[in-house]
Amino acid sequence: EDQVTQSPEALRLQEGESSSLNCSYTVSGLRGLFWYRQDPGKGPEFLFTLYSAGEEKEKERLKATLTKKESFLHITAPKPEDSATYLCAVQAVVGISGGYNKLIFGAGTRLAVHP
Amino acid sequence: DTEVTQTPKHLVMGMTNKKSLKCEQHMGHRAMYWYKQKAKKPPELMFVYSYEKLSINESVPSRFSPECPNSSLLNLHLHALQPEDSALYLCASSQGSRANEKLFFGSGTQLSVL
Repeated sequence: EDQVTQSPEALRLQEGESSSLNCSYTVSGLRGLFWYRQDPGKGPEFLFTLYSAGEEKEKERLKATLTKKESFLHITAPKPEDSATYLCAVQAVVGISGGYNKLIFGAGTRLAVHP
Repeated sequence: DTEVTQTPKHLVMGMTNKKSLKCEQHMGHRAMYWYKQKAKKPPELMFVYSYEKLSINESVPSRFSPECPNSSLLNLHLHALQPEDSALYLCASSQGSRANEKLFFGSGTQLSVL
């Protein structure tokens, strides 16, 4: 069964204190691993897609990496505005002949960055 | 325009009411989705529309009825809901419905069923 596990559940950082969020997954044939940011009461906002082990992507203070079993979201020198829930999702293909997208989300990491 | 717009933002309804949630995108995307998200839980897929046809129904109760009038619009009709249906309902779209497509999400409708 396709599954995504994120850790830690919650993380509190001081401004400027770098850290990493973990996403471990089991999926039959990885089609893509996605990172989203979600603010309270809002929809998820797309950050990155990773497709193959060894791939890395960066955006401002965020860097996502991928291995065969897990992905990390590294946050360098975070600021209070980085506070949000970070969701990891893997893409499964469902339906007759496997033609349709289904994102399977992890439970998320709630990040709080304090000044 | 890279936006998915959902209305209303908030909705309170009784268990005997009928209401509808609306979703609109003008990115030319041909796949649209409804997700349900309970507080502090991840989003869970409900329905997938591909080229205006219902492609996936994740065993959702019949009190939720989706509709795709055209390629830009997606509705979710609600009838005889239960209090446990209270959640954030998210609409999303993607260019196609195949693998490797990233989803764009709307801000959601926060639904409370009394």
